[in-house]
Amino acid sequence: DTAVSQTPKYLVTQMGNDKSIKCEQNLGHDTMYWYKQDSKKFLKIMFSYNNKELIINETVPNRFSPKSPDKAHLNLHINSLELGDSAVYFCASSQGLAGSYEQYFGPGTRLTVT
Amino acid sequence: GQNIDQPTEMTATEGAIVQINCTYQTSGFNGLFWYQQHAGEAPTFLSYNVLDGLEEKGRFSSFLSRSKGYSYLLLKELQMKDSASYLCAVRDSDAGNNRKLIWGLGTSLAVNP
Repeated sequence: DTAVSQTPKYLVTQMGNDKSIKCEQNLGHDTMYWYKQDSKKFLKIMFSYNNKELIINETVPNRFSPKSPDKAHLNLHINSLELGDSAVYFCASSQGLAGSYEQYFGPGTRLTVT
Repeated sequence: GQNIDQPTEMTATEGAIVQINCTYQTSGFNGLFWYQQHAGEAPTFLSYNVLDGLEEKGRFSSFLSRSKGYSYLLLKELQMKDSASYLCAVRDSDAGNNRKLIWGLGTSLAVNP
């Protein structure tokens, strides 16, 4: 009964390839997020969707494209992978955006670009 | 600009008390969160403060002073399993793009026997 799940957990690929990471939550939450955590452990928001609508879109390269087919799923597609994309990518969800709604994180996807 | 400051590392002894400080400068304020992240794992929610004062939750307490832009997380009766990174995050506003959380770099706490 995993709350927020991501696949794959590990992803090793070569520069220039295209890859996708999938995220699903079974908490009934309206809001989902993608974060990037680099080697310095800084957690950086990339995107957020609320009821399938993109509401937060930070300054990330347009090689990164999120897609939310429904409220329970938020996928991340990355084109033309670069060495600097190596990081841990976390998906998260929350009941809403405002107030005290805490975020529940998935286990993370460790992406290594060689 | 938006800024969250926390000490990078702290060390404490099992059974002791440790206080992890967080100062923030944001254009707005709509709540402060503390998360715990063990090495190789996802962050997990610990506490939320939006009003001044102390919130106690078992061995963990969190304090907020909005006028000083300051919070601390207090961990009592430290256990080895408390060795982790503790992340402070502030919700800047409650509207538009600013509803995102602004995260600190985290404080890596090592609990020694």
